Order: sequence, then C-alpha cells, then structure tokens
Amino acid sequence: AQSVTQLDSQVPVFEEAPVELRCNYSSSVSVYLFWYVQYPNQGLQLLLKYLSGSTLVKGINGFEAEFNKSQTSFHLRKPSVHISDTAEYFCAVSERTSNTGKLIFGQGTTLQVKP
Amino acid sequence: DSGVTQTPKHLITATGQRVTLRCSPRSGDLSVYWYQQSLDQGLQFLIHYYNGEERAKGNILERFSAQQFPDLHSELNLSSLELGDSALYFCASKFRDREVDEQYFGPGTRLTVT
Repeated sequence: AQSVTQLDSQVPVFEEAPVELRCNYSSSVSVYLFWYVQYPNQGLQLLLKYLSGSTLVKGINGFEAEFNKSQTSFHLRKPSVHISDTAEYFCAVSERTSNTGKLIFGQGTTLQVKP
Repeated sequence: DSGVTQTPKHLITATGQRVTLRCSPRSGDLSVYWYQQSLDQGLQFLIHYYNGEERAKGNILERFSAQQFPDLHSELNLSSLELGDSALYFCASKFRDREVDEQYFGPGTRLTVT
C-alpha cells in the first residue's frame, strides 16, 4: 500500500517570494509521482509528474519538483510566486505496475500568496 | 476546460435518499476514475473503470456503486445517504489504463446531505 504525507496544511507567502511545498511518500513498490493544483471551485489540474530519468522535473506555470529516492520525497518549488498561484496543491502517487493508474493523494497544502 | 463533464454541479438531498452522479469522459478516453473529496478524509480514490469493466476499487462503501456504459460515460450511485457522504465527487478520465498517462479531472459534483 502507498501513502502520501504533505507536511504543511497551509503555506502563507508574499508575492514574488520563493516557495516550497513538501511531500513525502511511503510505498513498498515503485511509484510514479505527481503534483496537482486545484483552483477555487475547479477540478484538479496536473502541474508536473516524475516517471523516470532526471530527478528534477519542470512543470507548468514555472513550478518544478525534485524527486529524492533516499528520502522518499517529492517537494514542489517555485522561485517567485504570483497572486494567481493561490490554490490547493496535492501530491499524489501511482503504483508503477498496478494496471489501473489510480492516484493516492496527500491531504493537500493551501498556498496563500499575499500582496 | 479539461473536456470531462459532470452533472449535476450541485446536489442537495436528505438522509436516506439515493442519487446518481454522471460523468462524461473526454472524447476517446477509455478509463474513468471516481474520487471523493471531503474535509475529513481528503481526496480518496473510489473506483476505476476501463472500457466498461471494473478495474480497481478503493475505499468505496457498499452503499455506493458505479458502472461505465457502452458509450463510455459513467454513473456513480449513492444510496441510503448519510450526513457524512456530503463531499465533492470528482470524475477523471484518461485514454488507457497506463499509470504514466495523465488523468483529466472534471469540475466535480458537490453533494450536500441534510
């Protein structure tokens, strides 16, 4: 079984400051890793995913994430945030050989960008 | 717009009732997933259908059932509703069942049980 822990439920940050949203996972099998964003009153949208290869993954809207196998982490970063980045962010894993692709999500982190 | 549609957007009903949530996947997508988002449990996987067949089940209650029809749309049926079933229910679709493929999420159906 897999589990995902997002270490911060809320992250307040000022506009143009850098931000890091932390995610740790636990799994007895190999997994793929994802970050999704949920804007108010909308569905989830994929920001980026790690499948294999380079451990630094770049996504949409200037976000990037780094996979660290030894620490079982997949932290999301952005060097300079905008007001429009205010949203809920979810880290998720999918078992590599499950033949289903179901996603197991963390509890979410609310990013609040202040002017 | 992800291309996934869900109806209705909002649903208010009483305890003990039964409701049906509908999902139309993106054109050509064979896989449909249902997720429940609640304050208590967060975002949880309920069930996955691929080309009409059930592929995986998650934390789905026995009072809940789902199916995927030949035209690939899916319905989630919730019966004997309880207050704790109040949640946002998302449907997601993707082309196949491969883990590497992206899931596209619909806008959700907000269910309120009173």
